[in-house]
Amino acid sequence: DAKTTQPNSMESNEEEPVHLPCNHSTISGTDYIHWYRQLPSQGPEYVIHGLTSNVNNRMASLAIAEDRKSSTLILHRATLRDAAVYYCILREQTGANNLFFGTGTRLTVIP
Amino acid sequence: NAGVTQTPKFRVLKTGQSMTLLCAQDMNHEYMYWYRQDPGMGLRLIHYSVGEGTTAKGEVPDGYNVSRLKKQNFLLGLESAAPSQTSVYFCASSYRFGDFNQPQHFGDGTRLSIL
Repeated sequence: DAKTTQPNSMESNEEEPVHLPCNHSTISGTDYIHWYRQLPSQGPEYVIHGLTSNVNNRMASLAIAEDRKSSTLILHRATLRDAAVYYCILREQTGANNLFFGTGTRLTVIP
Repeated sequence: NAGVTQTPKFRVLKTGQSMTLLCAQDMNHEYMYWYRQDPGMGLRLIHYSVGEGTTAKGEVPDGYNVSRLKKQNFLLGLESAAPSQTSVYFCASSYRFGDFNQPQHFGDGTRLSIL
């Protein structure tokens, strides 16, 4: 599976936008970019996914570079509840729908 | 709608003991997964199942067995627990693909310590 690179940690002030970067220079043409997050003492939860175009949902936005070698998860207005580890994952369109987690980015939200 | 429920939430075992972790989902998902998460690391896939009566190995299957006798349940067994199996275990489920991008739904984990 193609690998992703994320910063180990980031901080944000409450109610400000947060941009979480992810590099995936070896992405293949059919890999989708998925984001999950893991709140403290909970299992991961799905956030968003995309292929080429930018995507928006109620939780976040996903901005994908034109060459698809990087992407950014955008939280438009960080709340204390958004403090979590965010995982950027490349999904191959084969196999058994498995997810391969890296170590993610730990987001700290400062009140 | 409970989603994915894991039983038990916490357990302490002695080396060599056996136990079974239970995962139950009420979303009629075809696919189910067991992951482990060690401190400071991401999740790693142990075993998975694409349907009732079928299982397959993931990234770190050694020392574990699984069974999927009913669609809604996925059991993870440790036959002879070892300290290296101290971890947090997560179960997940998803709809089958047709669409490889079906999100996985996770339980809240089982924290297992082996002394």
